[in-house]
Amino acid sequence: GAVVSQHPSWVICKSGTSVKIECRSLDFQATTMFWYRQFPKQSLMLMATSNEGSKATYEQGVEKDKFLINHASLTLSTLTVTSAHPEDSSFYICSARDWGGSEAFFGQGTRLTVV
Amino acid sequence: AQSVTQLGSHVSVSEGALVLLRCNYSSSVPPYLFWYVQYPNQGLQLLLKYTTGATLVKGINGFEAEFKKSETSFHLTKPSAHMSDAAEYFCAVSDPQGAQKLVFGQGTRLTINP
Repeated sequence: GAVVSQHPSWVICKSGTSVKIECRSLDFQATTMFWYRQFPKQSLMLMATSNEGSKATYEQGVEKDKFLINHASLTLSTLTVTSAHPEDSSFYICSARDWGGSEAFFGQGTRLTVV
Repeated sequence: AQSVTQLGSHVSVSEGALVLLRCNYSSSVPPYLFWYVQYPNQGLQLLLKYTTGATLVKGINGFEAEFKKSETSFHLTKPSAHMSDAAEYFCAVSDPQGAQKLVFGQGTRLTINP
């Protein structure tokens, strides 16, 4: 099956700093990528959808200036959490889908802790 | 709009017993339906999916699910539970058109008793 690699798997940062999370499709072209946030013992909440070469579409209530998403190539999307605060601590998961595919493949997730 | 309801946030079964995880969905168009499994601190792994065709879908690790349009259900079953099945399970629905965003249920934590 298709592989999506997400990096880093965990990160600890200080309040006020920015953190970048990468999501790569290793063996297919990801025309669409999705970024989710998951709080402990809860379901996945879609943050944004990005198509290669265009601006991301953010879900209602998600601050686009705080969660910067870039999808510059068919194999790489990045999520940057700017000016992170403790309330941004969470598990972030990306998924990717190729053109015409019915299935989205998920990365391993990134545990972000802001101290 | 689409939505998913998973009945039971926590299900506990004995090893070797039948596993039944319930999922009901709401969709204004014929949906795609999915079951994913998540182990602690990991991403999601696809167990099985329904898009079109046969309504009984077989997946990995002995799991299967049946799409019942009249009941708007997509329950997940496994005849005999194994200790390694202990995990969080998510049912999801997507619209076959457009961005095909996944809408997830709340999740069901499956515990296997020895």
